[in-house]
Amino acid sequence: QKEVEQDPGPLSVPEGAIVSLNCTYSNSAFQYFMWYRQYSRKGPELLMYTYSSGNKEDGRFTAQVDKSSKYISLFIRDSQPSDSATYLCAIIKAAGNKLTFGGGTRVLVKP
Amino acid sequence: KAGVTQTPRYLIKTRGQQVTLSCSPISGHRSVSWYQQTPGQGLQFLFEYFSETQRNKGNFPGRFSGRQFSNSRSEMNVSTLELGDSALYLCASSIGLAGESSYNEQFFGPGTRLTVL
Repeated sequence: QKEVEQDPGPLSVPEGAIVSLNCTYSNSAFQYFMWYRQYSRKGPELLMYTYSSGNKEDGRFTAQVDKSSKYISLFIRDSQPSDSATYLCAIIKAAGNKLTFGGGTRVLVKP
Repeated sequence: KAGVTQTPRYLIKTRGQQVTLSCSPISGHRSVSWYQQTPGQGLQFLFEYFSETQRNKGNFPGRFSGRQFSNSRSEMNVSTLELGDSALYLCASSIGLAGESSYNEQFFGPGTRLTVL
């Protein structure tokens, strides 16, 4: 079993819809939770990161962490065609730089 | 501020050969991490270098090695290439001073796409 599980999609939504992405993880030692966006032929770029359980909002993006369920989510409101990309969750233990990634979910926002 | 640069961007090699990939981190960053990305396995951590020392290592065979120079630039080497080594190799740099309760953002380069024939 992988340490971080993520539905690969693809997830196709109409422009303006809410995109809902999630990951589950197995190791309770993980403490930092990140969401990266990766466009084709580019490296991943960090969207958001959270440390504790709860919600964190940044513009159209909301990240949720539920440590008791080992479940993390990313919501994209008012989705745009430019949001079409692969979204990767990543988790890290304390005091380390080793990112453990989910497999990524491909998202397609149709105009 | 210039981002992370990786050279070359594309590479084609044949089985049995060896390859060296290069990564120049963001100025002031002392940590460089390497990842392999494949459609089947996703993004997997290879190793991390900080101040010229390997600080962390993933579960890859010894054919995969790396080093870091005094200017923080890093190289990774893959010897005796196999078909399964075809992948996008990404490097990421960070300040590198992660403590027990802190996280340093890692900035990724565009990657080197390696094809092994």
